[in-house]
Amino acid sequence: GAVVSQHPSRVICKSGTSVKIECRSLDFQATTMFWYRQFPKQSLMLMATSNEGSKATYEQGVEKDKFLINHASLTLSTLTVTSAHPEDSSFYICSATPPGRRGDEQFFGPGTRLTVL
Amino acid sequence: QKEVEQDPGPLSVPEGAIVSLNCTYSNSAFQYFMWYRQYSRKGPELLMYTYSSGNKEDGRFTAQVDKSSKYISLFIRDSQPSDSATYLCAGNSGGYQKVTFGIGTKLQVIP
Repeated sequence: GAVVSQHPSRVICKSGTSVKIECRSLDFQATTMFWYRQFPKQSLMLMATSNEGSKATYEQGVEKDKFLINHASLTLSTLTVTSAHPEDSSFYICSATPPGRRGDEQFFGPGTRLTVL
Repeated sequence: QKEVEQDPGPLSVPEGAIVSLNCTYSNSAFQYFMWYRQYSRKGPELLMYTYSSGNKEDGRFTAQVDKSSKYISLFIRDSQPSDSATYLCAGNSGGYQKVTFGIGTKLQVIP
C-alpha cells in the first residue's frame, strides 16, 4: 500500500511554455500532498504544501504565480510550471501521507524530470 | 549552516560489509528522524522512522538517534549490491511540520 504515482516521468519543453505535472495517491486518500524540487547534488527542497480544497502553502522564495498548485481531489494534486525557463530544469517529486500515519511519514512518487531548453 | 548535514560521499564498500551512514542536525526542535533510500532517478523510499533518542532495528537496518549530540546514524549489516543507492537522512519537529532533508550519501556496494 501507500503508492504515489507521478506523470509524466520525464518532460522536455521549450523556454516560455507551461508544463503540468500530476501527482496521484493510488491506494489512499490524501488531504495533503507535498511538492519538492531536487537539483543535482543538492538535497530535496520543499516547494509547497498542497491542501485539498484550499490554497497551497508555499515555502519562502518559491513564486506561487510561477508554480501553480491545484489539489482538486483527495487523490490528485497538480503542479504547473508556468513560463518555464532553463533554470527551472530539475527533478520534481511529490509526496503524501496515508491516513492513520504521522504527517511526517511521507511516501514519495517516482519523480518528474523537467528539462527546459 | 544547513539544518541537516550529511557527507555526500561516495562511499564504496565490499559486499557483506557493515555500512555506517551518519548525519548531524542543528534544529533542537527535531523529534522525528527518518532515513530514505533513493535509487538513481527515482523518488525516495522511506526506510526507517524513529522518534527521539534511541535505536530502531528492521532486518539488516538499524537507525540510531543521539539527541544530546544531534547525531543520527544508519547501519546496514551484510550489505548487498542492491543496497547501492543514495541514502537521505531527514528530521522534523513532528506532525505536518516541514521535513528537512540532508543532501544524501551515495553508497556503492561492490560485489
